[in-house]
Amino acid sequence: EAGVAQSPRYKIIEKRQSVAFWCNPISGHATLYWYQQILGQGPKLLIQFQNNGVVDDSQLPKDRFSAERLKGVDSTLKIQPAKLEDSAVYLCASSLQGAEKLFFGSGTQLSVL
Amino acid sequence: SQQGEEDPQALSIQEGENATMNCSYKTSINNLQWYRQNSGRGLVHLILIRSNEREKHSGRLRVTLDTSKKSSSLLITASRAADTASYFCATDSGTYKYIFGTGTRLKVLA
Repeated sequence: EAGVAQSPRYKIIEKRQSVAFWCNPISGHATLYWYQQILGQGPKLLIQFQNNGVVDDSQLPKDRFSAERLKGVDSTLKIQPAKLEDSAVYLCASSLQGAEKLFFGSGTQLSVL
Repeated sequence: SQQGEEDPQALSIQEGENATMNCSYKTSINNLQWYRQNSGRGLVHLILIRSNEREKHSGRLRVTLDTSKKSSSLLITASRAADTASYFCATDSGTYKYIFGTGTRLKVLA
């Protein structure tokens, strides 16, 4: 079974630039999550999708972050414009609807200079 | 926001010893899970315990849950060098919204 795919693996940008991350969840997984993990901390939930609808985006800084999951499969997370404090690993996770176990991708490590 | 706080923040033990890490959380939960994260990689699910359970085993892992104290512990018995990783607890209050703790960095010395 293929796992959660994320790209790119690494990204380096300058502050005020834009960046986008892509996630392809495990086939059939209706629930998709984006987490931000700052070095030395635990993952922080940014947004949760159920199919193509947003379930929770209360922790998403909506002035600069946006996310979409148009067809209920792939998802993209965008930051525009990036700030230094956005340097982190962005993790995508998915799960079957109503299931409790999350499957994580390897993440995208973002460095904002 | 972090729901769980884990201690110790870092733990260093010899191979063959047992490792215990603790997680405390703030609000009522439906279940609590433990995940492992190897350096530079995503998280891997280890074990889940429901709010009506007190103890659960899986291989060398033993998890306990005390809902009255809002705390859980993860015990890894007979540690191996390959167990070196960060360990996180994650709680769900029934909405499948998983909130992770701050993590314990475990180092097992060969």
